Amino acid sequence: GESVGLHLPTLSVQEGDNSIINCAYSNSASDYFIWYKQESGKGPQFIIDIRSNMDKRQGQRVTVLLNKTVKHLSLQIAATQPGDSAVYFCAENTNDYKLSFGAGTTVTVRA
Amino acid sequence: NAGVMQNPRHLVRRRGQEARLRCSPMKGHSHVYWYRQLPEEGLKFMVYLQKENIIDESGMPKERFSAEFPKEGPSILRIQQVVRGDSAAYFCASRTENYYEQYFGPGTRLTVT
Repeated sequence: GESVGLHLPTLSVQEGDNSIINCAYSNSASDYFIWYKQESGKGPQFIIDIRSNMDKRQGQRVTVLLNKTVKHLSLQIAATQPGDSAVYFCAENTNDYKLSFGAGTTVTVRA
Repeated sequence: NAGVMQNPRHLVRRRGQEARLRCSPMKGHSHVYWYRQLPEEGLKFMVYLQKENIIDESGMPKERFSAEFPKEGPSILRIQQVVRGDSAAYFCASRTENYYEQYFGPGTRLTVT
Protein backbone atom coordinates (compact mmCIF):
# COMPACT_ATOMS: atom_id res chain seq x y z
CA GLY A 1 0.00 0.00 0.00
CA GLU A 2 0.92 3.62 0.04
CA SER A 3 3.62 4.55 2.47
CA VAL A 4 3.00 8.22 2.02
CA GLY A 5 -0.39 9.83 2.28
CA LEU A 6 -1.97 13.21 2.61
CA HIS A 7 -4.60 14.17 5.13
CA LEU A 8 -6.71 16.33 2.82
CA PRO A 9 -7.15 16.01 -0.93
CA THR A 10 -8.06 19.68 -1.43
CA LEU A 11 -7.27 22.97 0.24
CA SER A 12 -8.85 26.33 -0.52
CA VAL A 13 -7.01 29.36 0.80
CA GLN A 14 -7.50 33.10 0.57
CA GLU A 15 -4.79 35.00 -1.26
CA GLY A 16 -2.35 36.39 1.26
CA ASP A 17 -3.11 33.80 3.92
CA ASN A 18 -0.74 31.05 4.95
CA SER A 19 -1.27 27.49 3.70
CA ILE A 20 -0.45 24.30 5.52
CA ILE A 21 -0.37 21.00 3.66
CA ASN A 22 0.01 17.82 5.65
CA CYS A 23 1.48 14.45 4.85
CA ALA A 24 1.70 11.20 6.79
CA TYR A 25 4.22 8.49 6.10
CA SER A 26 4.50 4.98 7.44
CA ASN A 27 8.10 3.94 6.80
CA SER A 28 10.09 4.90 9.89
CA ALA A 29 13.30 4.04 8.01
CA SER A 30 12.78 6.83 5.47
CA ASP A 31 15.62 9.29 5.70
CA TYR A 32 14.77 11.93 3.14
CA PHE A 33 11.60 13.78 2.16
CA ILE A 34 10.71 16.13 -0.67
CA TRP A 35 7.80 18.38 -1.48
CA TYR A 36 6.92 18.79 -5.13
CA LYS A 37 4.52 21.17 -6.83
CA GLN A 38 2.74 20.13 -9.99
CA GLU A 39 0.85 22.58 -12.15
CA SER A 40 -1.68 21.41 -14.67
CA GLY A 41 -0.05 19.76 -17.67
CA LYS A 42 3.46 19.96 -16.24
CA GLY A 43 5.92 17.73 -14.46
CA PRO A 44 6.51 17.91 -10.69
CA GLN A 45 8.72 20.78 -9.63
CA PHE A 46 11.00 20.54 -6.61
CA ILE A 47 10.02 22.91 -3.78
CA ILE A 48 11.99 21.93 -0.71
CA ASP A 49 13.51 18.87 0.92
CA ILE A 50 14.48 17.77 4.40
CA ARG A 51 16.60 14.99 5.81
CA SER A 52 15.51 12.90 8.76
CA ASN A 53 18.16 14.40 11.04
CA MET A 54 16.35 17.75 10.85
CA ASP A 55 12.92 18.81 12.05
CA LYS A 56 12.58 22.08 10.19
CA ARG A 57 13.89 23.67 7.04
CA GLN A 58 13.02 27.00 5.48
CA GLY A 59 13.10 28.20 1.93
CA GLN A 60 11.70 31.21 0.17
CA ARG A 61 8.14 31.55 1.53
CA VAL A 62 8.06 27.84 2.33
CA THR A 63 8.84 25.85 5.45
CA VAL A 64 8.89 22.09 5.85
CA LEU A 65 8.38 20.53 9.25
CA LEU A 66 9.19 16.93 10.05
CA ASN A 67 7.86 15.13 13.11
CA LYS A 68 9.44 11.69 13.18
CA THR A 69 7.64 10.68 16.36
CA VAL A 70 4.28 10.66 14.63
CA LYS A 71 5.67 10.28 11.11
CA HIS A 72 4.21 13.52 9.90
CA LEU A 73 5.45 16.03 7.35
CA SER A 74 3.99 19.43 6.58
CA LEU A 75 4.57 22.18 4.07
CA GLN A 76 3.79 25.74 5.04
CA ILE A 77 3.45 28.39 2.37
CA ALA A 78 3.52 31.97 3.60
CA ALA A 79 1.41 34.69 1.99
CA THR A 80 -0.14 32.36 -0.56
CA GLN A 81 -0.31 33.76 -4.07
CA PRO A 82 -2.45 32.80 -7.10
CA GLY A 83 0.64 31.20 -8.65
CA ASP A 84 0.72 28.74 -5.75
CA SER A 85 -2.42 27.04 -7.05
CA ALA A 86 -1.32 23.52 -7.95
CA VAL A 87 -1.20 19.96 -6.69
CA TYR A 88 1.37 19.37 -3.97
CA PHE A 89 2.98 16.00 -3.38
CA CYS A 90 5.15 14.80 -0.57
CA ALA A 91 7.61 12.04 -1.35
CA GLU A 92 9.89 9.95 0.82
CA ASN A 93 13.03 8.03 0.05
CA THR A 94 12.09 4.47 0.86
CA ASN A 95 14.87 2.33 -0.52
CA ASP A 96 18.04 2.96 -2.47
CA TYR A 97 17.12 6.40 -3.72
CA LYS A 98 13.63 5.39 -4.77
CA LEU A 99 10.92 7.92 -3.97
CA SER A 100 7.42 6.99 -2.90
CA PHE A 101 4.76 9.64 -3.56
CA GLY A 102 1.54 10.45 -1.80
CA ALA A 103 -1.70 11.06 -3.64
CA GLY A 104 -1.41 14.85 -3.61
CA THR A 105 -3.30 17.85 -2.24
CA THR A 106 -4.91 20.29 -4.64
CA VAL A 107 -4.43 23.86 -3.46
CA THR A 108 -6.75 26.53 -4.83
CA VAL A 109 -6.03 30.16 -4.05
CA ARG A 110 -9.06 32.46 -3.86
CA ALA A 111 -8.61 36.06 -4.96
CA ASN B 1 21.95 23.53 -18.30
CA ALA B 2 18.88 22.08 -19.94
CA GLY B 3 16.44 20.21 -17.75
CA VAL B 4 15.10 16.73 -18.25
CA MET B 5 13.73 16.38 -21.76
CA GLN B 6 10.94 14.09 -22.78
CA ASN B 7 9.44 13.43 -26.15
CA PRO B 8 6.98 13.28 -27.55
CA ARG B 9 4.91 15.45 -25.25
CA HIS B 10 1.71 13.93 -26.53
CA LEU B 11 1.31 10.53 -28.13
CA VAL B 12 -1.82 8.95 -29.53
CA ARG B 13 -1.85 5.26 -30.29
CA ARG B 14 -4.55 2.82 -31.33
CA ARG B 15 -5.06 -0.31 -29.29
CA GLY B 16 -2.49 -2.92 -30.22
CA GLN B 17 0.15 -0.48 -31.41
CA GLU B 18 3.49 0.19 -29.76
CA ALA B 19 4.40 3.31 -27.83
CA ARG B 20 7.97 4.53 -27.39
CA LEU B 21 8.64 7.27 -24.89
CA ARG B 22 12.01 8.94 -24.72
CA CYS B 23 13.79 10.67 -21.87
CA SER B 24 17.05 12.60 -21.94
CA PRO B 25 18.28 13.20 -18.39
CA MET B 26 19.95 16.35 -17.24
CA LYS B 27 23.62 16.68 -18.13
CA GLY B 28 25.74 14.75 -15.69
CA HIS B 29 22.83 12.65 -14.40
CA SER B 30 23.36 8.94 -14.69
CA HIS B 31 20.25 7.77 -12.83
CA VAL B 32 16.83 7.73 -14.47
CA TYR B 33 13.38 6.92 -13.10
CA TRP B 34 10.08 6.43 -14.87
CA TYR B 35 6.74 7.14 -13.20
CA ARG B 36 3.15 6.81 -14.36
CA GLN B 37 0.39 9.17 -13.33
CA LEU B 38 -3.29 8.49 -13.86
CA PRO B 39 -5.74 11.42 -13.77
CA GLU B 40 -6.35 12.74 -10.27
CA GLU B 41 -3.73 10.43 -8.80
CA GLY B 42 -0.16 10.61 -7.57
CA LEU B 43 2.92 9.35 -9.33
CA LYS B 44 3.55 5.62 -9.29
CA PHE B 45 7.09 4.35 -9.56
CA MET B 46 7.72 2.08 -12.52
CA VAL B 47 11.43 1.54 -13.03
CA TYR B 48 14.85 2.84 -11.96
CA LEU B 49 17.80 2.62 -14.33
CA GLN B 50 21.42 3.54 -14.50
CA LYS B 51 23.46 3.52 -17.68
CA GLU B 52 23.02 0.08 -19.26
CA ASN B 53 21.50 -1.37 -16.09
CA ILE B 54 18.01 -1.84 -14.69
CA ILE B 55 18.30 -1.31 -10.95
CA ASP B 56 14.69 -1.75 -9.88
CA GLU B 57 11.70 -2.60 -12.07
CA SER B 58 9.35 -3.58 -9.29
CA GLY B 59 6.72 -1.09 -10.44
CA MET B 60 6.68 -2.19 -14.04
CA PRO B 61 3.91 -4.46 -15.33
CA LYS B 62 5.37 -7.86 -16.11
CA GLU B 63 4.11 -7.93 -19.68
CA ARG B 64 4.24 -5.46 -22.57
CA PHE B 65 6.39 -2.90 -20.72
CA SER B 66 10.15 -2.58 -20.99
CA ALA B 67 12.73 0.11 -20.34
CA GLU B 68 16.32 0.73 -21.23
CA PHE B 69 18.99 3.34 -20.68
CA PRO B 70 21.79 2.67 -23.15
CA LYS B 71 25.33 3.89 -22.85
CA GLU B 72 24.63 6.45 -25.53
CA GLY B 73 21.31 8.14 -26.12
CA PRO B 74 18.11 8.64 -24.18
CA SER B 75 16.26 6.27 -21.90
CA ILE B 76 13.36 4.56 -23.62
CA LEU B 77 10.12 3.31 -22.10
CA ARG B 78 8.45 0.92 -24.49
CA ILE B 79 4.88 -0.26 -24.28
CA GLN B 80 3.87 -3.00 -26.68
CA GLN B 81 0.31 -3.75 -27.76
CA VAL B 82 -1.11 -0.79 -25.89
CA VAL B 83 -4.53 -1.00 -24.26
CA ARG B 84 -6.87 1.77 -23.13
CA GLY B 85 -5.72 1.33 -19.54
CA ASP B 86 -2.23 2.44 -20.56
CA SER B 87 -3.53 5.97 -21.16
CA ALA B 88 -1.73 8.14 -18.63
CA ALA B 89 1.00 10.70 -18.19
CA TYR B 90 4.46 9.17 -18.05
CA PHE B 91 7.16 11.14 -16.30
CA CYS B 92 10.86 10.68 -16.32
CA ALA B 93 13.15 11.95 -13.58
CA SER B 94 16.90 11.99 -13.23
CA ARG B 95 19.45 12.58 -10.51
CA THR B 96 23.17 12.61 -9.94
CA GLU B 97 25.17 10.04 -8.02
CA ASN B 98 24.76 10.27 -4.20
CA TYR B 99 21.98 12.84 -4.21
CA TYR B 100 18.34 11.97 -3.59
CA GLU B 101 16.78 14.89 -5.38
CA GLN B 102 15.09 13.89 -8.61
CA TYR B 103 14.40 16.37 -11.37
CA PHE B 104 11.36 15.72 -13.48
CA GLY B 105 10.69 16.17 -17.15
CA PRO B 106 7.45 17.63 -18.55
CA GLY B 107 5.98 14.21 -19.19
CA THR B 108 4.52 12.35 -22.15
CA ARG B 109 0.76 12.11 -22.24
CA LEU B 110 -0.22 8.85 -23.87
CA THR B 111 -3.73 8.42 -25.18
CA VAL B 112 -4.85 5.04 -26.44
CA THR B 113 -7.88 5.11 -28.68
